Amino acid sequence: NAGVTQTPKFRVLKTGQSMTLLCAQDMNHEYMYWYRQDPGMGLRLIHYSVGEGTTAKGEVPDGYNVSRLKKQNFLLGLESAAPSQTSVYFCASSREGLAAGEQYFGPGTRLTVT
Amino acid sequence: AQTVTQSQPEMSVQEAETVTLSCTYDTSESDYYLFWYKQPPSRQMILVIRQEAYKQQNATENRFSVNFQKAAKSFSLKISDSQLGDAAMYFCARGYNYGGATNKLIFGTGTLLAVQP
Repeated sequence: NAGVTQTPKFRVLKTGQSMTLLCAQDMNHEYMYWYRQDPGMGLRLIHYSVGEGTTAKGEVPDGYNVSRLKKQNFLLGLESAAPSQTSVYFCASSREGLAAGEQYFGPGTRLTVT
Repeated sequence: AQTVTQSQPEMSVQEAETVTLSCTYDTSESDYYLFWYKQPPSRQMILVIRQEAYKQQNATENRFSVNFQKAAKSFSLKISDSQLGDAAMYFCARGYNYGGATNKLIFGTGTLLAVQP
């Protein structure tokens, strides 16, 4: 049982390049989330999904797209990376809403955009 | 605006002593959930403790306990018998409803705890 895994762990992009971050969970959780963590700002929700085939915007969705084609995977895409997207990205999942328990986090992806 | 405030950017405690980390939050809901997460240097986010607002009794998990003051919208974390492994960034978070279910977290900016041997 690996929990929540994220690929890749580190990445450096040039401005304007695109990339996709992959999140996978093996706990059969319905809800999945993408956060970014910046110094002095805590974690902020980018997008989330309440089930396979669904996505919704969080606090800071601009510049990102997501897809949840399979229940176990949640993809975060950057179509045209900008230096402001330099951050640590965390994926999380939960069985249902938070009333049913906690969010389980992946180990994070450090992304640098030059 | 939904906000969670941690007013202590850094704290320090001697090993075996007790430390309290502060957290206040903003909400108009009567039922919600509060969390403390720990983030060690490995970056992994680990749930420390969880409190349901409708429960008056303060949550406790081994050496970790909370002081939940609902009227004051305060949710502090007490760590007793501090250990070197407790050194980490601690985040307070509040769950709030969206689309009929409590499924989103708002995080505070964190408190960096150092444990002195």
